[in-house]
Amino acid sequence: NAGVTQTPKFQVLKTGQSMTLQCAQDMNHNSMYWYRQDPGMGLRLIYYSASEGTTDKGEVPNGYNVSRLNKREFSLRLESAAPSQTSVYFCATLTTLGGDKGNYGYTFGSGTRLTVV
Amino acid sequence: QKEVEQDPGPLSVPEGAIVSLNCTYSNSAFQYFMWYRQYSRKGPELLMYTYSSGNKEDGRFTAQVDKSSKYISLFIRDSQPSDSATYLCAMTVFDYGQNFVFGPGTRLSVLP
Repeated sequence: NAGVTQTPKFQVLKTGQSMTLQCAQDMNHNSMYWYRQDPGMGLRLIYYSASEGTTDKGEVPNGYNVSRLNKREFSLRLESAAPSQTSVYFCATLTTLGGDKGNYGYTFGSGTRLTVV
Repeated sequence: QKEVEQDPGPLSVPEGAIVSLNCTYSNSAFQYFMWYRQYSRKGPELLMYTYSSGNKEDGRFTAQVDKSSKYISLFIRDSQPSDSATYLCAMTVFDYGQNFVFGPGTRLSVLP
C-alpha cells in the first residue's frame, strides 16, 4: 500500500522552463491537495481538488496550474518556472480518521524538491 | 500577523526531558486542531488531532487546547532521539473539506 506517491523526488529547472509534478494515490480518497513548503512559511496551499473533475485555488496559486486527471491522479504544472518557485512541493489527500466526530486529516506524499536557477 | 504562529526553534533537549511545543492563532473560528511530525526530507505525518478544549493523551504525547487564549500545545514525555523532527500545528473550522492552516513548524532535537 503505497499511499501517496510523488514524482519526481528532485528536479532542477532553468528559469522559464516548464514541468509537471505528478501525484497518485491508491487510497480511493476524493480530496487531493498541492502544498508548497518554504523555510519559516509553513505549508501553503496552492490548489486543491475536492473531487474528480473539480479544482480550486488555494492561498498561492499564481504561476501554477493543476489537472485532476481521475480520482487517483492530481498533477501540478509550472508553465514558466521562476526562482521564487524554488520550494518543496507536497501532495496530500484528505482521509477520515474515525471516531464519533468524523475526524479527518491529511496523508502526505514524500515531496518533490524543486530548484529553479 | 500570521494566522498561526509557532516558535521555529531549534529546540534542543536531553533525552528523557519533557518537551513543550506551542502554537498561537488569531482566528477564533478554528475548532479542529492537529499536530504533524515531519522528519528531515520526508512528508508530514499525522501525530494527534482534537476538536475540543482540554487535553488529549496518546502514549507519550499530550495535546492541549485552550480556545479562550487561542493557544495549543503538544507535550512529549520521556523524549527520545527518535522524536527529533519538525513539529507542525494545523487547524481549521470544523467542517469536512475545509482547508487547514499550518504553522511554520518547530524543529526539535533530542540529544542522547
